[in-house]
Amino acid sequence: ILNVEQSPQSLHVQEGDSTNFTCSFPSSNFYALHWYRWETAKSPEALFVMTLNGDEKKKGRISATLNTKEGYSYLYIKGSQPEDSATYLCAPGGHQAGTALIFGKGTTLSVSS
Amino acid sequence: GAVVSQHPSRVICKSGTSVKIECRSLDFQATTMFWYRQFPKQSLMLMATSNEGSKATYEQGVEKDKFLINHASLTLSTLTVTSAHPEDSSFYICSASSGSSNEQYFGPGTRLTVT
Repeated sequence: ILNVEQSPQSLHVQEGDSTNFTCSFPSSNFYALHWYRWETAKSPEALFVMTLNGDEKKKGRISATLNTKEGYSYLYIKGSQPEDSATYLCAPGGHQAGTALIFGKGTTLSVSS
Repeated sequence: GAVVSQHPSRVICKSGTSVKIECRSLDFQATTMFWYRQFPKQSLMLMATSNEGSKATYEQGVEKDKFLINHASLTLSTLTVTSAHPEDSSFYICSASSGSSNEQYFGPGTRLTVT
């Protein structure tokens, strides 16, 4: 069973601050890593799916990096806005496409204006 | 983008009754659907994986006779909690995958409260 750790558990920043979170996972049998943003009362929204060691992906002010050899991924948010307030989940994927994800507990971000 | 709906969003039922939760992929064919459960302050935990037309595969510790899963079409999977008890109160959420990519799309979840 994969053990996925996310830190910090929660984070409160001011509007305009940049921030980052960590996701760590066992590096053996790695296939893919998913990042989701989950706002209250909504469906988790897929941010990134990353598969290659050293991969870096960007979506607007949000970016993520992946290190499969040491088993960690960072999610960065540049210039946080109140609408970025959400829980950010990471989940290593299974051994092939279409297999189940193993989730961390998430990092809950709160951005004050 | 791919949309998954889930119904109902909230349900309160009495102990001993059964509750059915529906998960639908609205704009794509979901060859595989997953059911997760989340208890307070815990992570989403996989309950079962269902492939269209096949019996679901349950995770260890999940009772298949209590949590009945049906995936009869490429756009619909149902989870029925039979003879619900207060300890079944939880947040249930489904996801769907077309199987051809790494992407999984989630429904908004169902909050079940058993009184």
